[in-house]
Amino acid sequence: DIQMTQSPSSLSASVGDRVTITCQASQDISNYLNWYQQKPGKAPKLLIYDASNLETGVPSRFSGSGSGTDFTFTISSLQPEDIATYYCQQYDNLLGDTFGQGTKLEIK
Amino acid sequence: QVQLVESGGGLVKPGGSLRLSCAASGFTFSDYYMSWIRQAPGKGLEWVSYISSSGSTIYYADSVKGRFTISRDNAKNSLYLQMNSLRAEDTAVYYCARDPVTPGGRSGSSDYWGQGTLVTVSS
Repeated sequence: DIQMTQSPSSLSASVGDRVTITCQASQDISNYLNWYQQKPGKAPKLLIYDASNLETGVPSRFSGSGSGTDFTFTISSLQPEDIATYYCQQYDNLLGDTFGQGTKLEIK
Repeated sequence: QVQLVESGGGLVKPGGSLRLSCAASGFTFSDYYMSWIRQAPGKGLEWVSYISSSGSTIYYADSVKGRFTISRDNAKNSLYLQMNSLRAEDTAVYYCARDPVTPGGRSGSSDYWGQGTLVTVSS
């Protein structure tokens, strides 16, 4: 199985701050890495697919980068509506998919 | 608009069975891979299984292999998850999700999710 190590597990930041979350894969996953946002009581929402592609309709303050084993998710200017838990996910059609442990983002 | 609606969740005793359904609408169901993902109360997301658009390719997480069976009926625009030999650790909200298809095959970038259905395994 491919393991995903996401950090930090929680994060407190102020409105307007730049926020960064990282995800490390236990082996090379190329760019098969997605980022999701989940608000309480809601289903996850796809934000970034294939490491760096912004899903249609997602604000441009969200971005992703990386390839191989190390990936980064960034919110360039935190907004109040960004309060949520964020998950990275690798997908492998032979080994199956794996999610990171999640990062709970709060407003300071 | 794309809609995925799960049903079939509920309370079941350990060792029991349950069948979840996911009704799809607003897109050509037979063109897409589909996945089941679950989330235990207060915990993170766990991928469970996926099925190809035709149903010919199926994969499971090790945690459910041999106990769960994914299937689909493209004529009914429906996805299913048959869950047998249920354990307490299977307690979770179960989501169905749509997986786009690329020239290379399945994209695991689940772009639409249902609202989830809660399965509780308890005596």
